[in-house]
Amino acid sequence: GQQLNQSPQSMFIQEGEDVSMNCTSSSIFNTWLWYKQDPGEGPVLLIALYKAGELTSNGRLTAQFGITRKDSFLNISASIPSDVGIYFCGGSNYKLTFGKGTLLTVNP
Amino acid sequence: EAGVAQSPRYKIIEKRQSVAFWCNPISGHATLYWYQQILGQGPKLLIQFQNNGVVDDSQLPKDRFSAERLKGVDSTLKIQPAKLEDSAVYLCASSLGVTGGASNYGYTFGSGTRLTVV
Repeated sequence: GQQLNQSPQSMFIQEGEDVSMNCTSSSIFNTWLWYKQDPGEGPVLLIALYKAGELTSNGRLTAQFGITRKDSFLNISASIPSDVGIYFCGGSNYKLTFGKGTLLTVNP
Repeated sequence: EAGVAQSPRYKIIEKRQSVAFWCNPISGHATLYWYQQILGQGPKLLIQFQNNGVVDDSQLPKDRFSAERLKGVDSTLKIQPAKLEDSAVYLCASSLGVTGGASNYGYTFGSGTRLTVV
């Protein structure tokens, strides 16, 4: 089946720093999605990308759909403590496949 | 709008016992998904329903797992008999869209049921 390689696996940063994480795949996807999951909750959609090359922002979050359609990245600028959580990328054609997640810890 | 409701939140059972999880999707959402999330991993799709029909159950271990969505609204996922490796969070999600449609990506997840098999 389709697999997504998400990196880094975990990050520990200081409040105010910028963060970048990415996802790559051996398969082409028509849609890339980024989710955040807080402890004890289900994933919440942050950004959805529908076209190759698309760059989309949601507040301090920016994500891009790679030109090859096999990769995507998520940037978080000026991190704050509530950014703590696990971030998942998701690639979809008709079925959504998730990466293994990036655990983000923000030190106040 | 009310979110996706799941129950119970937690369940501890012994191996070889059976267990059932319940999901009530967002009103009007035609598509319902069950995901399994093992600790430290991303969610993995078990089964996808479109109304009351199964669209994809290719990753559902059918020898022990079953799911139904009678009347195209609520859904139940059952494991019988449970194994230790079934310990995971079981997430239900729903969306408006049909398979392959752009609106398919407006997934809303429930908070999940954390299953521990001992």
